Amino acid sequence: DAKTTQPPSMDCAEGRAANLPCNHSTISGNEYVYWYRQIHSQGPQYIIHGLKNNETNEMASLIITEDRKSSTLILPHATLRDTAVYYCIVKGLGGASKIIFGSGTRLSIRP
Amino acid sequence: GAVVSQHPSRVICKSGTSVKIECRSLDFQATTMFWYRQFPKQSLMLMATSNEGSKATYEQGVEKDKFLINHASLTLSTLTVTSAHPEDSSFYICSARDGGAQYNSPLHFGNGTRLTVT
Repeated sequence: DAKTTQPPSMDCAEGRAANLPCNHSTISGNEYVYWYRQIHSQGPQYIIHGLKNNETNEMASLIITEDRKSSTLILPHATLRDTAVYYCIVKGLGGASKIIFGSGTRLSIRP
Repeated sequence: GAVVSQHPSRVICKSGTSVKIECRSLDFQATTMFWYRQFPKQSLMLMATSNEGSKATYEQGVEKDKFLINHASLTLSTLTVTSAHPEDSSFYICSARDGGAQYNSPLHFGNGTRLTVT
């Protein structure tokens, strides 16, 4: 599975959009981009995933570049409850395909 | 949505004893479950892949005789930490994928088990 690179930390003002970047330059054609987040002392929570088209759900939007080598997770109106470590993961197909976590981005939302 | 339940959420045990952690998929069947370990201020580290009805596959450096994994049914996998030592104190997290869902469906994670070995 391809590796990902994320900034170790970011901060954002409450109510503003939080844009979290991820680099996955070695992604292969059948690998999806997944985003999870982990709030302190809890298990990771799934946010969104995509292959090549931009995706949006009730939690966030995912923008994937045309060459698929990077993506951005957008939390449109960040709240204090969005403070967490955000993980960008690239994973191949198949139920047994492993999810390997990188270091993630620690997002702090300031009031 | 799909729910993965872990039990217990916290456990304290004495050095030398064994501890069993359960991971259940509540509303779906999971042929594959994954076990992770997380130390303070670190990311999740994959320990092993648990396959229903067959032996688990362990990641390099993880002792299979110390971390016993049993995946006896499509909804239950257990991790037993045998002869626990203080260095085994960690946050253990399981995850599972809905076997009936689309091939690109996400993994669902339990809320973790905080193990403290005294």
